[in-house]
Amino acid sequence: AQTVTQSQPEMSVQEAETVTLSCTYDTSESDYYLFWYKQPPSRQMILVIRQEAYKQQNATENRFSVNFQKAAKSFSLKISDSQLGDAAMYFCAYRSGSGNTGKLIFGQGTTLQVKP
Amino acid sequence: DAGVIQSPRHEVTEMGQEVTLRCKPISGHDYLFWYRQTMMRGLELLIYFNNNVPIDDSGMPEDRFSAKMPNASFSTLKIQPSEPRDSAVYFCASSRLAGGGHITGELFFGEGSRLTVL
Repeated sequence: AQTVTQSQPEMSVQEAETVTLSCTYDTSESDYYLFWYKQPPSRQMILVIRQEAYKQQNATENRFSVNFQKAAKSFSLKISDSQLGDAAMYFCAYRSGSGNTGKLIFGQGTTLQVKP
Repeated sequence: DAGVIQSPRHEVTEMGQEVTLRCKPISGHDYLFWYRQTMMRGLELLIYFNNNVPIDDSGMPEDRFSAKMPNASFSTLKIQPSEPRDSAVYFCASSRLAGGGHITGELFFGEGSRLTVL
């Protein structure tokens, strides 16, 4: 069974600085999808960024980018120029590309604090 | 589109009462998921549907929990009887995988229903 591990329960960053959140996963599949979700205090889960495993290029969305290392099964999220509004819990998630299951497997989450 | 709509946003009830949570997925989505979030256990997948058919309910805690999806635009999660340990935030999410090819299938979440059982 696939698993997703976020080893950093909490992280903090100074406003305008860069922070990297770690995520590793375990799978025997070659076709899959990876996601980062943000959950602010309002509790709404918001998709931040997505990565298809078959793509070698790392996904980027404005200040958010990933470092996808397929061989190492690592999928870290980099937030550049951190803003106060980035403070939230961040979840890494995995979806199998086979069987059309549709379900996402989530990590335990990392709480990010942004200091002014 | 209005997004995934859940109701109620907050529910406070007494132990033993029946609780019904409701969800309207995004139109055109063929998958619907119910997750539960607690501090201790994080995000847990309870059950999910594909084209209104339950596919995997292995995450449903016990027989007190039941979920239905009578049509493509409505689902319910029912707890009867409720217990204090059921207190959590319950999320509904939907996604679309139909269409073939490489579809990332990200989930779109509702705002959640916070349940407190006294």
